[in-house]
Amino acid sequence: NAGVTQTPKFQVLKTGQSMTLQCAQDMNHEYMSWYRQDPGMGLRLIHYSVGAGITDQGEVPNGYNVSRSTTEDFPLRLLSAAPSQTSVYFCASSWRGSPLHFGNGTRLTVT
Amino acid sequence: AQTVTQSQPEMSVQEAETVTLSCTYDTSENNYYLFWYKQPPSRQMILVIRQEAYKQQNATENRFSVNFQKAAKSFSLKISDSQLGDTAMYFCAFMKQVGNNNDMRFGAGTRLTVKP
Repeated sequence: NAGVTQTPKFQVLKTGQSMTLQCAQDMNHEYMSWYRQDPGMGLRLIHYSVGAGITDQGEVPNGYNVSRSTTEDFPLRLLSAAPSQTSVYFCASSWRGSPLHFGNGTRLTVT
Repeated sequence: AQTVTQSQPEMSVQEAETVTLSCTYDTSENNYYLFWYKQPPSRQMILVIRQEAYKQQNATENRFSVNFQKAAKSFSLKISDSQLGDTAMYFCAFMKQVGNNNDMRFGAGTRLTVKP
């Protein structure tokens, strides 16, 4: 039972580069979300999805895109990386009204 | 938007002692959920305990219990018989649920150190 799988675990980018953080869950959860974690700020919601084909913005969506073509996958795209996007990124999923299940996170450094 | 406040950035406790972590939240909702998550140095986010707002009884999970004061919008976590493995960041979280949308917001966290 894999749960929520995030790849990669670590990534270093140069300013202006693009990349995709992958997230997959095998629990048939309708709800999926992306958070970023920064020191002293907790976890902040970037984007979320309530089902395949439906996405919406969270608290800090600028600079990020998402899509949800299947129930299982919810990739996060950085279009043009900036140093301000250096952070730890978490993907999460859940059933309606249930706690979030988290992936193990991706540490991203933008130089 | 809901806000969650954890006023204690860092705390420490002696092994076997009891410690209480504070959390307050601001919402106009009547039905919602509250959670405490633990994040050890491994970075993994681990659910510690949950509370449904409609339940008056405080949730307990082994050594972990909460004091939920709905009118005061307060949700503190008590850890009894602290163990070295309890050393971690602890996040308080508020979730309102509308349809399939589990909108969860987090506090800034409290770093707890358990001393031998």
